[in-house]
Amino acid sequence: GDSVTQMEGPVTLSEEAFLTINCTYTATGYPSLFWYVQYPGEGLQLLLKATKADDKGSNKGFEATYRKETTSFHLEKGSVQVSDSAVYFCALRNQAGTALIFGKGTTLSVSS
Amino acid sequence: EPEVTQTPSHQVTQMGQEVILRCVPISNHLYFYWYRQILGQKVEFLVSFYNNEISEKSEIFDDQFSVERPDGSNFTLKIRSTKLEDSAMYFCASSEAGRGGEQYFGPGTRLTVT
Repeated sequence: GDSVTQMEGPVTLSEEAFLTINCTYTATGYPSLFWYVQYPGEGLQLLLKATKADDKGSNKGFEATYRKETTSFHLEKGSVQVSDSAVYFCALRNQAGTALIFGKGTTLSVSS
Repeated sequence: EPEVTQTPSHQVTQMGQEVILRCVPISNHLYFYWYRQILGQKVEFLVSFYNNEISEKSEIFDDQFSVERPDGSNFTLKIRSTKLEDSAMYFCASSEAGRGGEQYFGPGTRLTVT
């Protein structure tokens, strides 16, 4: 079945460091891909998405490119801030369904 | 900004008891979802609901689970006879559209079964 694998955390960075969180997927057809973020005590919020191959999703300085050839959707940010500390979830939605299929989540901790 | 709300934030129950988790989706949304996350594991899809019917469900969503939209604002998840392994964070979500719609999540209800 469809699945998402993302790098294990926690990821600990200093402010202004470069961030990469790896995400790969297994799916039939052409899924849509998402990154969600969860701040402490809050629900999951959509950070960015891409719906077809080579699309780049971007928001708040974060970017991810839908790479069908490597089945990947890695999250990147050039310069992280303390306020980016959160749990990041990679997810896919198959063309045929409504369900989001999530990875395990990666905790990011940024210190000043 | 409209948001999905969930009550209670934390529920403790004894094994074998029934629990009802409540959600108020965003008011103009038509699709509703439940997900759960067992501590340390993935967020897992349980069920989606549209037009007063289940539109999709996972293998997890067996006969002990049911969903209902009892009025125009609430969306509930009932677990009939809780087991220890039902302990998890339960997230409600809603969207305007089905397959193409962004899902907005609530903050979750932590269910602890003792």
